[in-house]
Amino acid sequence: DAGVTQSPTHLIKTRGQQVTLRCSPKSGHDTVSWYQQALGQGPQFIFQYYEEEERQRGNFPDRFSGHQFPNYSSELNVNALLLGDSALYLCASSSIDASGSYEQYFGPGTRLTVT
Amino acid sequence: AQRVTQPEKLLSVFKGAPVELKCNYSYSGSPELFWYVQYSRQRLQLLLRHISRESIKGFTADLNKGETSFHLKKPFAQEEDSAMYYCALSSMNRDDKIIFGKGTRLHILP
Repeated sequence: DAGVTQSPTHLIKTRGQQVTLRCSPKSGHDTVSWYQQALGQGPQFIFQYYEEEERQRGNFPDRFSGHQFPNYSSELNVNALLLGDSALYLCASSSIDASGSYEQYFGPGTRLTVT
Repeated sequence: AQRVTQPEKLLSVFKGAPVELKCNYSYSGSPELFWYVQYSRQRLQLLLRHISRESIKGFTADLNKGETSFHLKKPFAQEEDSAMYYCALSSMNRDDKIIFGKGTRLHILP
């Protein structure tokens, strides 16, 4: 199991453009969470998907949207890119086991640069 | 407001010396507290969580509800402990969002 995978690794976009980032969860996981990590900051929660629906959302504008597919993979879309959207975008997958325990496993991230 | 504060951006400690990474939190209710670690060129990973009460790689952390703190400690630092450490919290609701601090870079000096 490769764990959580994300694509692409790096991306450069221009202000006003749109971007789509992709995430494949760890095998057996059904929940995907997305985080934005700006330089020098900790990860900040964007939203979480479970059963193909957005279950929770952080304090991010509607320009940030997502999707989860039947195979549990997920996409993060950002419209009308701003310079301030430049960051490392992390995907984390998780699932609650029979004992009720869970852990969010993180992917390597996608580095987005907006120029 | 829900917040995690890590007052030190960088902590340099000599090999063999004790380590303490500070973390304070603000949360209405009873949160679950975590420490995450990111080694150079590796992904973010869970180090320990307060409900497990485990010692991982020699690190321990005790939740002090009175002081709203969750400091990470290790009695004898090793060079391989050099990494970025993030304190984080979540609600006790299963698989809830995680709120991270800004992180402390731990640098172990030879």
